[in-house]
Amino acid sequence: DSGVTQTPKHLITATGQRVTLRCSPRSGDLSVYWYQQSLDQGLQFLIHYYNGEERAKGNILERFSAQQFPDLHSELNLSSLELGDSALYFCASSQDTLSRKTQYFGPGTRLLVL
Amino acid sequence: GQSLEQPSEVTAVEGAIVQINCTYQTSGFYGLSWYQQHDGGAPTFLSYNALDGLEETGRFSSFLSRSDSYGYLLLQELQMKDSASYFCAVRDRGGGFKTIFGAGTRLFVKA
Repeated sequence: DSGVTQTPKHLITATGQRVTLRCSPRSGDLSVYWYQQSLDQGLQFLIHYYNGEERAKGNILERFSAQQFPDLHSELNLSSLELGDSALYFCASSQDTLSRKTQYFGPGTRLLVL
Repeated sequence: GQSLEQPSEVTAVEGAIVQINCTYQTSGFYGLSWYQQHDGGAPTFLSYNALDGLEETGRFSSFLSRSDSYGYLLLQELQMKDSASYFCAVRDRGGGFKTIFGAGTRLFVKA
């Protein structure tokens, strides 16, 4: 158990819909990262938040948005869903200090768009 | 731009040693990490190199050569449970410290 929690574990929805994925980082970690992993693919970096502020953006679609709240939990919002958005979505957290950059991954949310 | 290359698949026998290579291209290198992922599971951290040289953690070691933009993960005394995907990842100063993952190397350990 990494200490990172994600809800829900599974999500089935229809094209055109909007969903929200939630992540709670490990206690003490200020950074939250979101990744998308499609079937048999690598991890695609979406976005990184540090202490409530956006730090870095990957190839995140305009239909996707995220935020990190004052209690450091984060939400990833996916809208106008398409079939191709079906994937595993992981969040990870880290302390993100000079010497501690290890990312701890949550169990993921498996999204299926029908 | 940023990119990482690693072999797609490696097969080895139980008890053997295997090396998984990773070459990278970044606009501002800031460390190479390795993660293990079993089917259906979450990636778990294995090692991190910011400086040149070898880092050893039990049966796993990781090496980095910044001048060659190259690193590798060395797995010794292979066990069946080591069958998994292994990802190298770099932290890139370009674009605000993005984390870029390689496509992963699928390791098959045979009896």
